[in-house]
Formats: sequence, structure tokens, C-alpha cells
Amino acid sequence: GNSVTQMEGPVTLSEEAFLTINCTYTATGYPSLFWYVQYPGEGLQLLLKATKADDKGSNKGFEATYRKETTSFHLEKGSVQVSDSAVYFCALSALGLRGNNRLAFGKGNQVVVIP
Amino acid sequence: DAGVTQSPTHLIKTRGQQVTLRCSPKSGHDTVSWYQQALGQGPQFIFQYYEEEERQRGNFPDRFSGHQFPNYSSELNVNALLLGDSALYLCASSPGTGVYYGYTFGSGTRLTVV
Repeated sequence: GNSVTQMEGPVTLSEEAFLTINCTYTATGYPSLFWYVQYPGEGLQLLLKATKADDKGSNKGFEATYRKETTSFHLEKGSVQVSDSAVYFCALSALGLRGNNRLAFGKGNQVVVIP
Repeated sequence: DAGVTQSPTHLIKTRGQQVTLRCSPKSGHDTVSWYQQALGQGPQFIFQYYEEEERQRGNFPDRFSGHQFPNYSSELNVNALLLGDSALYLCASSPGTGVYYGYTFGSGTRLTVV
């Protein structure tokens, strides 16, 4: 089945530091890949997406490249701000034979940016 | 343009009771999915509705049921509530399959079972 694995544990870093959150996936069909962000007490917001291999999704300074050869979709940001503190979820959705387009999520990573 | 609207935002129920959660999708979206998010975990897929029919279902017991109305809004019903049903319930909508467009999520309903 489809699954997503995110690196373990929270991520704590200083303002203006470089952020990387690792994400790898297993999928059948033709997956699209997503990063969602969840701020405290809120639902999920789509941060960026990529629908085919080698696509790069980008938004608000965040980037992620769909790497089919390594089945990865790592999230990066060159200079984080305190306002980037949130939980980040990697997810995939695959259009299989049965329209199996449910989102499969990773466990999420809490990112804390210290001023 | 209103996004996905969920109601209520919070509720507290007693073990064994039944609950109904409601969702209005984003304008132009005809597919509604429901997810359960336990504290500190990623969302888990419950089921998806399209054209008023359940199109696919996750690994949840029959106590979880749903409905989609002609205006695309949806309800999630949970019978015989258990303490373990306490979670944030998220509704997501998309125009047809969300594989290419992504899904828009509501802010969720926080259910506490006591």
C-alpha cells in the first residue's frame, strides 16, 4: 500500500537557519506528493505539491523536489522565521486502478524556530 | 470565497453516545473526504464521498458512517462512542480527484469523549 515516512522527532533551530525535513514514500500507481502545514489549533494548509517526477513544488520560500529514483520529497527552506513554527506533514495521493486517491500522511514533524 | 467549513468546532460527548459532524466543501469542489487526527499523529483516512456515494473507505469500523448531500456537503456519524474516538476530525474537499489539485482542509472538529 501507499505510505510516507518522515524523519523522527521535532526540529528546533534558530531564526535564519536552513531547514530540511526528510520524507520518503512507497506507492503504487502514479503518486502526487504534498507538504501540508498545521499551525496550533488549526486544520491543515497545503504548502506545496508536485505531481510528477522531477517536479519542484515551491511556496513561501519552501521547496521540495519529487525524486522518483530515491522515492523522496524532502522539504527545504533557506532561512526560517519564527512564524514558520508549526507541524509539517508529508503526504501522497495516487491515482490507482480504483481511484485510490486518499491522502496517506507521514507522522509529521514539529518545527520550532527560536528567535 | 469560503473554504471548507466544519461544525461544530468543539464538542464533548459521553462514552456510548452518538455524534454527527458536518462539513461544507469549498465552492466548486464535489468530493469530500474525512480524516481522524489523534493527538500528535498524522491524519488517518476514514472515507471519501463523491456523487453522494462512499467511494473508498479506510480501516475504520462500521460505527463510522457518512453521507453526502446533493449540494456536496457531508456528514460524519459515529455511533457508540469510545474514549479512543477522541480526536480532531478533519474534512477535506477537492474538485474530483485530489491527486492533481490537492485537497483543501477545514479547521476541524475537536471531539472529546468522556
